Amino acid sequence: QQQVKQSPQSLIVQKGGISIINCAYENTAFDYFPWYQQFPGKGPALLIAIRPDVSEKKEGRFTISFNKSAKQFSLHIMDSQPGDSATYSCAASIGNFGNEKLTFGTGTRLTIIP
Amino acid sequence: ETGVTQTPRHLVMGMTNKKSLKCEQHLGHNAMYWYKQSAKKPLELMFVYSLEERVENNSVPSRFSPECPNSSHLFLHLHTLQPEDSALYLCASSPTRNTEAFFGQGTRLTVV
Repeated sequence: QQQVKQSPQSLIVQKGGISIINCAYENTAFDYFPWYQQFPGKGPALLIAIRPDVSEKKEGRFTISFNKSAKQFSLHIMDSQPGDSATYSCAASIGNFGNEKLTFGTGTRLTIIP
Repeated sequence: ETGVTQTPRHLVMGMTNKKSLKCEQHLGHNAMYWYKQSAKKPLELMFVYSLEERVENNSVPSRFSPECPNSSHLFLHLHTLQPEDSALYLCASSPTRNTEAFFGQGTRLTVV
């Protein structure tokens, strides 16, 4: 049973546009929601994370929107640039239970075209 | 670079071979991890070591055998693998089990 569902599987966005990737979860005990960015030939790297006490977190052009009642969260990339082309994976876990409790989504391959 | 180094970067092995993947970090981290990344599948945690002691083993087949000789090195020994084991194997480390993990670049494994 996949506990974190991510969509779309792939996404093509024009330079300057807004990229939106969505994740939905089932376990209401989840209270930590990170996003990872992975460039080709590299390992994932933590990009931004949110806890459910806020509905939005912004870091530069990257924003996480969180909807607790719908059990959904999304990553928005404003003014998307070719350098943002990468695979983005959402994840969820329960508080301080450690990295081993992270449940990952299946990833979204984002391509930004000029 | 994250400070987590994996070797080799690419590996092709037959189903009867024995090989080992190596991971090294000199960040002073106490926790190290092996993950498997397959196309269109979520990242799968395989093993966790904390202070050189294995603390997690997610029902991984015995053909995968981890080893953590010291806090800076982690190995994944492979034997009699199956073609479905072909994937990107990622090592990660973190200061403690509850802090941000830093990933290596991975070993792309192909089993033929």
